[in-house]
Amino acid sequence: QQQVKQSPQSLIVQKGGISIINCAYENTAFDYFPWYQQFPGKGPALLIAIRPDVSEKKEGRFTISFNKSAKQFSLHIMDSQPGDSATYFCAARKTLKYIFGTGTRLKVLA
Amino acid sequence: NAGVTQTPKFRILKIGQSMTLQCTQDMNHNYMYWYRQDPGMGLKLIYYSVGAGITDKGEVPNGYNVSRSTTEDFPLRLELAAPSQTSVYFCASSYGRSNQPQHFGDGTRLSIL
Repeated sequence: QQQVKQSPQSLIVQKGGISIINCAYENTAFDYFPWYQQFPGKGPALLIAIRPDVSEKKEGRFTISFNKSAKQFSLHIMDSQPGDSATYFCAARKTLKYIFGTGTRLKVLA
Repeated sequence: NAGVTQTPKFRILKIGQSMTLQCTQDMNHNYMYWYRQDPGMGLKLIYYSVGAGITDKGEVPNGYNVSRSTTEDFPLRLELAAPSQTSVYFCASSYGRSNQPQHFGDGTRLSIL
């Protein structure tokens, strides 16, 4: 009930392509769904986030799609760049506590 | 603006030793968190605090203790280090209000041998 399942574990995309990372959850009490980007040796940094009453949120090249009925949400990175190569984590929040997915290591080839 | 500062960045401990991981934030955030990150896993919540003097357990609190005497500081203590506590530890803080993000430090890499 408290898990957030993230896939794929790793992803290789050509420069200019679309990167898609998916997450699924069980607990309907989650009220906030952020995505974090993490570079080696650094802490995670918030990339984009969505609340469950919104189906899509876009910020620049990054879009979250949220499907409340399916209990799934995904991150789309358009026009992927080598600088986007990092590990991405989805998360879900319930009463101040965050549950994180296991991460997706993205590599964008130049 | 330094954000969330963690010290030390790296540490090697022997089994049974104790140590304190330091975390301080200068954003006047009321909520603070400690996570551990193991290879191939997401972040697991160890402890969190909603304000000075108030702490609560997360998913994996065993073997750890925390205190929150000031808004700025949230140290994490390992009393009897065990190999299973080898991990990267991250501290985070936030305002706690809706849609306010967590800000993370750069982590402490801890090895217990």
